[in-house]
Amino acid sequence: ETGVTQSPTHLIKTRGQQVTLRCSSQSGHNTVSWYQQALGQGPQFIFQYYREEENGRGNFPPRFSGLQFPNYSSELNVNALELDDSALYLCASSSTGEGETQYFGPGTRLLVL
Amino acid sequence: EDQVTQSPEALRLQEGESSSLNCSYTVSGLRGLFWYRQDPGKGPEFLFTLYSAGEEKEKERLKATLTKKESFLHITAPKPEDSATYLCAVFNYGQNFVFGPGTRLSVLP
Repeated sequence: ETGVTQSPTHLIKTRGQQVTLRCSSQSGHNTVSWYQQALGQGPQFIFQYYREEENGRGNFPPRFSGLQFPNYSSELNVNALELDDSALYLCASSSTGEGETQYFGPGTRLLVL
Repeated sequence: EDQVTQSPEALRLQEGESSSLNCSYTVSGLRGLFWYRQDPGKGPEFLFTLYSAGEEKEKERLKATLTKKESFLHITAPKPEDSATYLCAVFNYGQNFVFGPGTRLSVLP
């Protein structure tokens, strides 16, 4: 069974640029959630996708957007990067959109200069 | 607004010294409470899910319990490899997962 994978592992961008992060869900899972984790803090929920539709969103501005593909992989896009966007971005997959246990990937470390 | 707090913020134990971590929550409608372990620079690793007050789950040296307002993660006779940050999260009827800030546990040999 393949776990959740994310790419890239690390990324450096400058303020104002755009970034796309990718996630492949665990085999058999149709739901993907994205989180932002600042250093020393717990993960903050960005949004969740279930069967290619957004299924819940946290308190993040519209410049954070996402997609889920028919194979249930997902992308997180962030436009107009700000310095405060520097964080570990985590993807988690689960088998339904109803609060089932989420399994996390290793994360993408984003640094905005 | 749903909130999760965890205490203590950091905990240092000697190997074999048992203790408990606390997760207190305020949520509009609890659908599940989750415990995760996170090693530095890595993604959280699932430990337990609890759904109703009175429920208990065990795994090796760890035992999680749930009441209507809080959850405890009991660590019995910890080993240095148990050192990590332990995260608590709640899932609410708004389809949101809300994480606490975590407890950093260090177990000294």
